[in-house]
Amino acid sequence: GAGVSQSPSNKVTEKGKDVELRCDPISGHTALYWYRQSLGQGLEFLIYFQGNSAPDKSGLPSDRFSAERTGGSVSTLTIQRTQQEDSAVYLCASSPSPGGAYEQYFGPGTRLTVT
Amino acid sequence: QQQVKQSPQSLIVQKGGISIINCAYENTAFDYFPWYQQFPGKGPALLIAIRPDVSEKKEGRFTISFNKSAKQFSLHIMDSQPGDSATYFCAASGHFGNEKLTFGTGTRLTIIP
Repeated sequence: GAGVSQSPSNKVTEKGKDVELRCDPISGHTALYWYRQSLGQGLEFLIYFQGNSAPDKSGLPSDRFSAERTGGSVSTLTIQRTQQEDSAVYLCASSPSPGGAYEQYFGPGTRLTVT
Repeated sequence: QQQVKQSPQSLIVQKGGISIINCAYENTAFDYFPWYQQFPGKGPALLIAIRPDVSEKKEGRFTISFNKSAKQFSLHIMDSQPGDSATYFCAASGHFGNEKLTFGTGTRLTIIP
């Protein structure tokens, strides 16, 4: 079946603009995660959804970052007033688990460049 | 307590050799330990995973060894091939407040002919 999809694959934006990144999880997966991977760095957790609720937002780096999930499916990560340090690959993952500690499957990521 | 430490940062192995990557964790609430493989420009792909009720899991040429008392786990790639050249990440997660994956810093593996 189809894997996790993300759009756009690449996004170039000017400093100060807002951007929206989209994630379509694997059908039926209840858990959805956003991670960020900076150049040459490991993966940094941002936010976790279980259904439409976000029980763990601890990784969001500032209040410029927000995310929502609707219908227990598609999720959007929004970055307001983008800064150059926001440049990174934003990865989405989904999991069938209702409570964690289960396989997470990643999408291809959105490469965000802030100029 | 959320850290996962991974070594080495980079590794060069001859074709046919054994590649070994090590990880150590601190949080005893972790109970799921996956390894991911990432090629340039792609998202991480789940390679193999283990839970702490077993000490070893093998899938084809890939084996995870797990030492619960030492809080360490490792990935062994047998008969390493040039197509295995990629970045490998270990990770850990748990339940109920630990659902997110905590990743190691990655190992860039290069297999030379």
